Amino acid sequence: KQEVTQIPAALSVPEGENLVLNCSFTDSAIYNLQWFRQDPGKGLTSLLLIQSSQREQTSGRLNASLDKSSGRSTLYIAASQPGDSATYLCAVLDYKLSFGAGTTVTVRA
Amino acid sequence: EAQVTQNPRYLITVTGKKLTVTCSQNMNHEYMSWYRQDPGLGLRQIYYSMNVEVTDKGDVPEGYKVSRKEKRNFPLILESPSPNQTSLYFCASSGVGGGTEAFFGQGTRLTVV
Repeated sequence: KQEVTQIPAALSVPEGENLVLNCSFTDSAIYNLQWFRQDPGKGLTSLLLIQSSQREQTSGRLNASLDKSSGRSTLYIAASQPGDSATYLCAVLDYKLSFGAGTTVTVRA
Repeated sequence: EAQVTQNPRYLITVTGKKLTVTCSQNMNHEYMSWYRQDPGLGLRQIYYSMNVEVTDKGDVPEGYKVSRKEKRNFPLILESPSPNQTSLYFCASSGVGGGTEAFFGQGTRLTVV
């Protein structure tokens, strides 16, 4: 059974600092890894999708890396802003879509 | 526009009154899934489906039923809702295989009194 872990569970940083969010998974036979953002009580917004054959994806201030052999992905958010405050979830797709518990980020102005 | 549509968005019901939450996707995705989200517990999978007439239990299937008679629809059925099923529910769909993004519905907030 795929287990997805996200550490830390919560993170608080001052505005402007770079964010580093970690995701690990136990079974490396995945198709994709996807990062989502969720605001309180709201739905999930897709941020980045990394296919298993890729090493990283970038979108604006966001960069996600994937090391399938070690079962790890890292989401980097450069120059954080208060609007980046949210919960960030990673999900892996093998025969089903499995989620980590998320990292709740607070960016202090 | 690619989307997953859930209905209703909000629902208050009484214990024991059967209800159905609908989920429909317009991307011809094979994979569909239901999750519930509770404070401090993250997203927990209820049921998933790999294709028409193929469904399987997730981590918390008790008290729920699903069906997949058509590729686009994956309704969640609560035959006899109880207060512990009060939660925020999400439906998701994805293609099977590499490169296909998972999409989520906007969520259904269910309260069982």
